[in-house]
Amino acid sequence: EADIYQTPRYLVIGTGKKITLECSQTMGHDKMYWYQQDPGMELHLIHYSYGVNSTEKGDLSSESTVSRIRTEHFPLTLESARPSHTSQYLCASIHGGGAEAFFGQGTRLTVV
Amino acid sequence: GENVEQHPSTLSVQEGDSAVIKCTYSDSASNYFPWYKQELGKRPQLIIDIRSNVGEKKDQRIAVTLNKTAKHFSLHITETQPEDSAVYFCAASIRGGGFKTIFGAGTRLFVKA
Repeated sequence: EADIYQTPRYLVIGTGKKITLECSQTMGHDKMYWYQQDPGMELHLIHYSYGVNSTEKGDLSSESTVSRIRTEHFPLTLESARPSHTSQYLCASIHGGGAEAFFGQGTRLTVV
Repeated sequence: GENVEQHPSTLSVQEGDSAVIKCTYSDSASNYFPWYKQELGKRPQLIIDIRSNVGEKKDQRIAVTLNKTAKHFSLHITETQPEDSAVYFCAASIRGGGFKTIFGAGTRLFVKA
């Protein structure tokens, strides 16, 4: 079934660790996004991509990196996790311009 | 830069009443305006959208209106039900390559039974 998948769904990790959050979509969408969201709060754009080998920084990008080597895959890496990174991370994809965004189920990250 | 402002941040209504959420956008080139509903613990999902060549769109109890001149659009929910309680996000995006979808800050809607 065409969808957008995020792994892991839940992650508890120690301060200073390097982590990668995975996002994959099987819909062939060119545009992909990462958002940070505290429960029920605003969506903060971290990174986005218009296609393979294209990545752009959003508002909260300074402590993370992304890559887009394949259309379907858009992983997010935190080089050194901190308690302030504790939040939910949502991945989304859009086909073309002016179209519906499809969101993954999110990764709930806790940094202790 | 591009910006989408959404009001109110919290809205509480009695079951059966109407709810209205308003958004304004800054980029006049924006031409697609979706609305997403996020229930507790779930991902945002599209509930209705409108394009810039249309002034109003309705789908059962929900409707969206667009005023391009004033650069604002609104979500209207009639005959609200407890299951309408959720966070609602508006967004604006530009057709074509090299753009990003800008989301509003969200509105928490509480429908009291």
